[in-house]
Amino acid sequence: EVQLVQSGAEVKKPGESLKISCKTSGYNFATYWIGWVRQKPGKGLEWMGIIYPDDSETRYSPSFQGQVTISVDKSTNAAYLQWSSLKASDTAIYYCARPALPGADWYFGLWGRGTPVIVSS
Amino acid sequence: DIQMTQSPSTLSASVGDRVTITCRASQSISNWLAWYQQKPGEAPKLLIYEASSLDSGVPSRFSGSGSGTDFTLTISSLQPDDSATYYCQQYTGFLLTFGGGTKVEI
Repeated sequence: EVQLVQSGAEVKKPGESLKISCKTSGYNFATYWIGWVRQKPGKGLEWMGIIYPDDSETRYSPSFQGQVTISVDKSTNAAYLQWSSLKASDTAIYYCARPALPGADWYFGLWGRGTPVIVSS
Repeated sequence: DIQMTQSPSTLSASVGDRVTITCRASQSISNWLAWYQQKPGEAPKLLIYEASSLDSGVPSRFSGSGSGTDFTLTISSLQPDDSATYYCQQYTGFLLTFGGGTKVEI
C-alpha cells in the first residue's frame, strides 16, 4: 500500500529545535517529489517547500526559505522537516504530501495525516 | 508570487443544490490548477487536477472548469458528505500557492 506515515504530535518551547518525519512506503521513493504544507489553527493551507529525493534538489516558498530545512534519507525512504529555533508562530499542523505522478506536476494526490506541532512557553 | 483568490469564503446551501466556487489567479496559470476538499481533522483530498480532470474515485457530481486566470469548482447536487472546506492550488513553475479556502456548510 502506498502511504505516508508522519511522526507524532510535538510540544516544544520557543527556541528549541525540532525534526519531524514522513516515512513513505509502497512506491519508488527516489522518483517522486515530496512536499510540506503548513496549516495554522483555523487557517488555510500554505506550501512550504518540496524536495526530490533522488538528488535532494529542494525548492522553498520564499515565506519559508531560511526558516526551515527540508531533507530526505534515501536509506529509510523518509522525508524530514526541521527547525533550528522554534517560535510560537510555528504552532500548526504540518502535512507531507506527494504529487500524484512522478515529474514536476506538483498537485498532491497523496497526503500524510499531519503532525501537530505546539510551541509554547 | 502568483496569488490565488477564492470566493466566497463561506457558503451555505441545501442538499441537492448546485454550488459553484470561484478561484482567480493573479496571472495566467494555463490549466495548472488543482482543487482539494478538507474535512475537519483530516488531511486534504485531491478532487480535480489540470483544472478539469477528476481524480480517481471522486464522485462525478464534482467538476472543474476554467483556464488562464479564472476557474470554478462545481458540485452539481450537494450531498451531506460534501460539507468541508475547499481549496484551489496553482502549480505552474516552482512556486506553489493555495487559495484561502471556501467553507461549504449544509
